[in-house]
Amino acid sequence: DSGVTQTPKHLITATGQRVTLRCSPRSGDLSVYWYQQSLDQGLQFLIQYYNGEERAKGNILERFSAQQFPDLHSELNLSSLELGDSALYFCASSVSVSNYGYTFGSGTRLTVV
Amino acid sequence: AQKITQTQPGMFVQEKEAVTLDCTYDTSDQSYGLFWYKQPSSGEMIFLIYQGSYDEQNATEGRYSLNFQKARKSANLVISASQLGDSAMYFCAMRVFGNEKLTFGTGTRLTIIP
Repeated sequence: DSGVTQTPKHLITATGQRVTLRCSPRSGDLSVYWYQQSLDQGLQFLIQYYNGEERAKGNILERFSAQQFPDLHSELNLSSLELGDSALYFCASSVSVSNYGYTFGSGTRLTVV
Repeated sequence: AQKITQTQPGMFVQEKEAVTLDCTYDTSDQSYGLFWYKQPSSGEMIFLIYQGSYDEQNATEGRYSLNFQKARKSANLVISASQLGDSAMYFCAMRVFGNEKLTFGTGTRLTIIP
């Protein structure tokens, strides 16, 4: 157990729907990162939050949004889902800027049908 | 922009042999970090080893070592005495200091043969 908790582990939904993925960072970690892993695009950075505020943005679609709450958990909201959004979504956390990478959660596998 | 290249999509190695997974990187920044992660079939990403651009010695963590050749911009992962449990996807990644984003390569699928 890495200490980063992601729920749900699996999610199957229809095109056009909206889903929310949840992440609880490791205790004491202030930064949360979201990554998407798909077969065609590999591992892509989506967005980072630090202590409740957006810190960096990557290849995140406008249909996607995220937030980090006062208790430091984070949610990734995906709306108007398309078949191509099917992927493994990872959350990771770190104390702050770290030279030792992040600690990843086990991911949420999203299947859009 | 940073780029990571892993040219070996898949590798098959006999158990107990050493294996080298290749990684080259491209960046114009002088301060950066290089990482290797392991992703078993269960899907989680497991941090293996880290090398800073200013580290003079190659990093080692148990059976893992990183062969860092700065002039060649390569950061190959060496696994000694491979085990069946080493079968997994392996990703090389880098981070430029001042930017917390990790840029990943496409990965190498390693299969250890008994």
